[in-house]
Amino acid sequence: EAAVTQSPRSKVAVTGGKVTLSCHQTNNHDYMYWYRQDTGHGLRLIHYSYVADSTEKGDIPDGYKASRPSQENFSLILELASLSQTAVYFCASTEQNSGNTLYFGEGSRLIVV
Amino acid sequence: AQSVTQPDARVTVSEGASLQLRCKYSYSATPYLFWYVQYPRQGLQLLLKYYSGDPVVQGVNSFEAEFSKSNSSFHLQKASVHWSDSAVYFCALSRGGSNNRIFFGDGTQLVVKP
Repeated sequence: EAAVTQSPRSKVAVTGGKVTLSCHQTNNHDYMYWYRQDTGHGLRLIHYSYVADSTEKGDIPDGYKASRPSQENFSLILELASLSQTAVYFCASTEQNSGNTLYFGEGSRLIVV
Repeated sequence: AQSVTQPDARVTVSEGASLQLRCKYSYSATPYLFWYVQYPRQGLQLLLKYYSGDPVVQGVNSFEAEFSKSNSSFHLQKASVHWSDSAVYFCALSRGGSNNRIFFGDGTQLVVKP
């Protein structure tokens, strides 16, 4: 049974519209992350969180907000979606120590038109 | 600063051949190092990881990687590849301590020809 689930798995959004990507983990992990993957490229960190009600900026936070209302849930919000935000978004979780494995969701494919 | 470089964007090998995917890292201390695999339309899954001890680490599906501090490398190897190994492979680095930032390379797409 998947321990990190993302929704929606796929979405088409209109430029200027609001998009919310949701992530739920049942791993009881403290850390959660949102990454962006563009075709043919690696993962870039958007936002992360190490405790509920607190989020941190990653390497490419502009145009994105994050919300961590509970340990299990971590959302990525695009208030005004733009064409350049077309990508696949991955959520991941891990335990507190830096040597621990990341557990990924299956990704959310976002197309902005 | 820390970074991970995977110099090969795409590697093509024949089924049954041996494989090496290269990874170079930049970090002043000894990092945690990982290899992840991504199959089409899926998230990443851990293949293996290293922090200390034996520089050769074994992973799932007969993959192994060798850490070299002198070369700042963590190359992934497999003695005999199968067509099902076709995927994108990512090398990643994590610093020690309480900071849990993970840095990824750009990935290497492996194509196994039948």
